[in-house]
Amino acid sequence: ETGVTQTPRHLVMGMTNKKSLKCEQHLGHNAMYWYKQSAKKPLELMFVYNFKEQTENNSVPSRFSPECPNSSHLFLHLHTLQPEDSALYLCASSQARGGNTIYFGEGSWLTVV
Amino acid sequence: KNEVEQSPQNLTAQEGEFITINCSYSVGISALHWLQQHPGGGIVSLFMLSSGKKKHGRLIATINIQEKHSSLHITASHPRDSAVYICAGFYGGSQGNLIFGKGTKLSVKP
Repeated sequence: ETGVTQTPRHLVMGMTNKKSLKCEQHLGHNAMYWYKQSAKKPLELMFVYNFKEQTENNSVPSRFSPECPNSSHLFLHLHTLQPEDSALYLCASSQARGGNTIYFGEGSWLTVV
Repeated sequence: KNEVEQSPQNLTAQEGEFITINCSYSVGISALHWLQQHPGGGIVSLFMLSSGKKKHGRLIATINIQEKHSSLHITASHPRDSAVYICAGFYGGSQGNLIFGKGTKLSVKP
């Protein structure tokens, strides 16, 4: 238990569906992240939020839409995804952006059919 | 270009063996992280270090700044150590990001 909770753990969606991934952290952290992990590839940073403000969008396609309503919650809204978007999506948090210890959730396994 | 390279990619060991996983990185990191990922997907932070050596239980992490190299050692390995071990370098100061290696898949046989 790392203090970062992700739901759902597994998601199968069609290319025309709209779904959302949810992340919640109970650590009092101010920075939250979405990462994508595809097979045989290193983790790729998608988005960074610092004090609820998006501070980085790593050239992510618009079919991925993040939302951070407060410092404890982070969502990733998914719309008209492609099969190549199938991957493990990991949420993480840290006390602040800038080299602190980072805490990851268990991840959401996404399959797009 | 900021890069993090790990070796080996895959490692099989017998229970009780001493294990070493290596990580090399390009200039400019301010911290080096070692992470452990279990088959279910979750990732746990093992160490964050910028110099010297850290130890936690049977795990030891070292970093050599001059050689831009870090190692993760596991003493008296156990099947429950089987996981993917990931090295990541933190680049860029207060607005920086982690750059991850591809991971080393460790399997410890009983």
